[in-house]
Amino acid sequence: GENVEQHPSTLSVQEGDSAVIKCTYSDSASNYFPWYKQELGKRPQLIIDIRSNVGEKKDQRIAVTLNKTAKHFSLHITETQPEDSAVYFCASPGGSQGNLIFGKGTKLSVKP
Amino acid sequence: GAVVSQHPSRVICKSGTSVKIECRSLDFQATTMFWYRQFPKQSLMLMATSNEGSKATYEQGVEKDKFLINHASLTLSTLTVTSAHPEDSSFYICSAVRLSAFFGQGTRLTVV
Repeated sequence: GENVEQHPSTLSVQEGDSAVIKCTYSDSASNYFPWYKQELGKRPQLIIDIRSNVGEKKDQRIAVTLNKTAKHFSLHITETQPEDSAVYFCASPGGSQGNLIFGKGTKLSVKP
Repeated sequence: GAVVSQHPSRVICKSGTSVKIECRSLDFQATTMFWYRQFPKQSLMLMATSNEGSKATYEQGVEKDKFLINHASLTLSTLTVTSAHPEDSSFYICSAVRLSAFFGQGTRLTVV
């Protein structure tokens, strides 16, 4: 089955700097890669996703890049703000019914 | 995005009792819903796939007789934790897919 590895597990940046989180996946047939933001005690919220027919997608300060050959995808946050502090999870489809396999998460801390 | 509602958000129960958690898709029909468990500072782990009108599919290591799943309608799935023990204390969260996966608010279960 699909296996998703996420790095780093923790990331601390200064406000205004960029943050990059990387994930690798094992199933070459995977074609959908979402990123979720989870604040403490709350539900994961979808922040951006990418499908395998494109290499990059951007939404304001957030972007995701996909390298299908290398089987990795990355989340890029520019001009970070304290409210970006949260745990971020990457995911990849785990089967045909739509379930997701999640990375272990990255705790991002943005220092004012 | 789509709305998935989960109740209760918090529950404390005595060891040996059962607890039912509801997951509803409010603005779309979901033939499949997913139940995840999340321990503190860890990622979301898929427990089971809930299928409307048929038996749930459980992930390896998840006891089907302990975690009863019922998906009686296209908008409601329930997870019942039977004979709860302190080690079952966790954050349980459901999701449904409408183009992307959307999560309920989660249920913080504490077994005392």
